[in-house]
Order: sequence, then structure tokens, then C-alpha cells
Amino acid sequence: ETGVTQTPRHLVMGMTNKKSLKCEQHLGHNAMYWYKQSAKKPLELMFVYSLEERVENNSVPSRFSPECPNSSHLFLHLHTLQPEDSALYLCASSLEAGAWGQETQYFGPGTRLLVL
Amino acid sequence: GESVGLHLPTLSVQEGDNSIINCAYSNSASDYFIWYKQESGKGPQFIIDIRSNMDKRQGQRVTVLLNKTVKHLSLQIAATQPGDSAVYFCAENGGATNKLIFGTGTLLAVQP
Repeated sequence: ETGVTQTPRHLVMGMTNKKSLKCEQHLGHNAMYWYKQSAKKPLELMFVYSLEERVENNSVPSRFSPECPNSSHLFLHLHTLQPEDSALYLCASSLEAGAWGQETQYFGPGTRLLVL
Repeated sequence: GESVGLHLPTLSVQEGDNSIINCAYSNSASDYFIWYKQESGKGPQFIIDIRSNMDKRQGQRVTVLLNKTVKHLSLQIAATQPGDSAVYFCAENGGATNKLIFGTGTLLAVQP
């Protein structure tokens, strides 16, 4: 256990559905991240939040909408997704974002998403 | 552009042997590097890290070597065990940005 939990672990949704992924960290960290992991590709950073403020939006389509209500919780709201959005979505947290000595990221188990 | 890549996508070793997984990075500004292990169905798990002011760092059965001259990073696993079978990723910080830049990963397969 890394102290980062994600729910649900598996999700199947149609292209017209709306769903949300949830991430919670119990490490007292101030920065949280969403990544997309597709087969045979490097991890793709999607969003970075530092102290509940979005500090990075890595050219992600608007059908992905993040929300960070507090430093322990992070959501990824999904709507009108495409089949190519099927992937493992990973959440991570770190003490701080981009601060030397505090940037080690700890990952959750991920949500395996399948878009039909 | 920035990139972190691995020389060998798949590495097969015998149980008990030592494993060496290599990684090349291209961003000279990177001053922090991490190795992660990802088992099937799980998220990446932190193994060991190293900063640019060091050449070598040791953990339990693992050693990370950093060669800044040729921008090369390696992970050595001593006495490899079946439980070490996983995909191993290296990551660099691109010079204290908000991002970690990940490689594509190397699959380590340990044969009993």
C-alpha cells in the first residue's frame, strides 16, 4: 500500500456516459497528479494540482475535467469519451510539485477504463 | 525534445542472477531521477532515487548508477527473485519542473 487509493478499479462506459474517477491520498502531500497509461507508451501526464490549484494542464481534451476539492482528494470527470481513451488512469501525489527534494511521486493502483 | 528511453524493452534473467536495467535521458537540466517498478494490475511503485550530485546510491538489493557525462542511468538488482518480475521505469524531473518524464519501461522476466 502506497497511501494513495483510487476508485473504481475497473470501469466500462459508453461514449455517451458521464463518470468520475476518484483518488485519495493519506500521505499529507500537497500535490496530486493524473496520468494516462496506454500500452507500450510512456506515462502521459495529464494534470497537476498543487495546494488545490491546477498548475499543469498538459493539452488534455476537454472531455476530461479534473477537480481537486482539497489536498487529499482528486477527481477526474469523464464525459463523451472515445474508444481511444481506454487506458489505465493513474493518480499520484507528492509533498510538493516541482520543489527540489519534495517531488517524489507515489502512485495509486489505477483505474482500468474501457470505453465502448 | 525531452525523452527518456530504455535500451532493452525485455530482459530475461535466471533466478539468483544479477539484473541490470538501463535508461538513457536527454535533458541535461534533469537533476533528479527515479526508478519505479510496476507489477501487473498495480500502479508504479517507488524503488530508489538519485540526485545529480551523486553517482551511485544503494538500497536493499538495488543500486542505481548515474553517469551524467553520457546521460545514462542504470538499475542493478542483486540476486534477482521471481517477485522482481515486473516492468521497470526510469523517470527524470527535467530540471525541477512540475513534471516527471517517464521512459517506456523494461519488462524484467525472472526464470525459476
